[in-house]
Amino acid sequence: QVQLQESGPGLVKPSETLSLTCTVSGGSISSYYWSWIRQPPGKQLEWIGYIYYSGDTNYNPSLKSRVSISVDTSKNQFSLKLSSVTAADTAVYYCARTRDYSTKYYFDYWGQGTLVTVSS
Amino acid sequence: DIQMTQSPSSLSASVGDRVTITCRASQSISSYLNWYQQKPGKAPKLLIHAASSLQSGDPSRFSGSGSGTDFTLTISSLQPEDSATYYCQQSYSTPWTFGQGTKVEIK
Repeated sequence: QVQLQESGPGLVKPSETLSLTCTVSGGSISSYYWSWIRQPPGKQLEWIGYIYYSGDTNYNPSLKSRVSISVDTSKNQFSLKLSSVTAADTAVYYCARTRDYSTKYYFDYWGQGTLVTVSS
Repeated sequence: DIQMTQSPSSLSASVGDRVTITCRASQSISSYLNWYQQKPGKAPKLLIHAASSLQSGDPSRFSGSGSGTDFTLTISSLQPEDSATYYCQQSYSTPWTFGQGTKVEIK
């Protein structure tokens, strides 16, 4: 059974960089896409971007200038960096495995989520 | 970006009722549509992918249909454990986007 676990600081100061890591267990990170998704308190889900195990990335244009996703296949981990954060970036951040079913993508395994609060 | 609009935003139904949630895309997305169930304090859980493919192990009372711009998620006989918020999500083109959610409550 594939499991994902987010880790990183729960509090980030405005203008600083949010950094999270997702550790994948129970399966290999290879041959899949991996996404970050966030959900501000009481609001809907927002896809941040994905990375393929080979390193190819695709980001949401609304965040593209501030976001970077990387992968470390040796550790079975992928990471998110979001720079110049503001209070609007306060959210629960999820990592998720992204399956490709004949080019139809979907999120089949999710981490439990981690709340990141942006505040001084 | 493709906008996903769900209706209703919330509903209350009795155990055993048939429940239908609608999701409309701002442009045609073929069958690139997924449904997720989210319970309070938990991560979303995939229910249906590619508009109508039920995830293995999920109850057959859940079904999805539609193509193009209009989609539905149907719960044929509502159970107490189905109390949750349901989201649709398109994967036709990036940025992948979600609906605003439909909260299902049990009367």
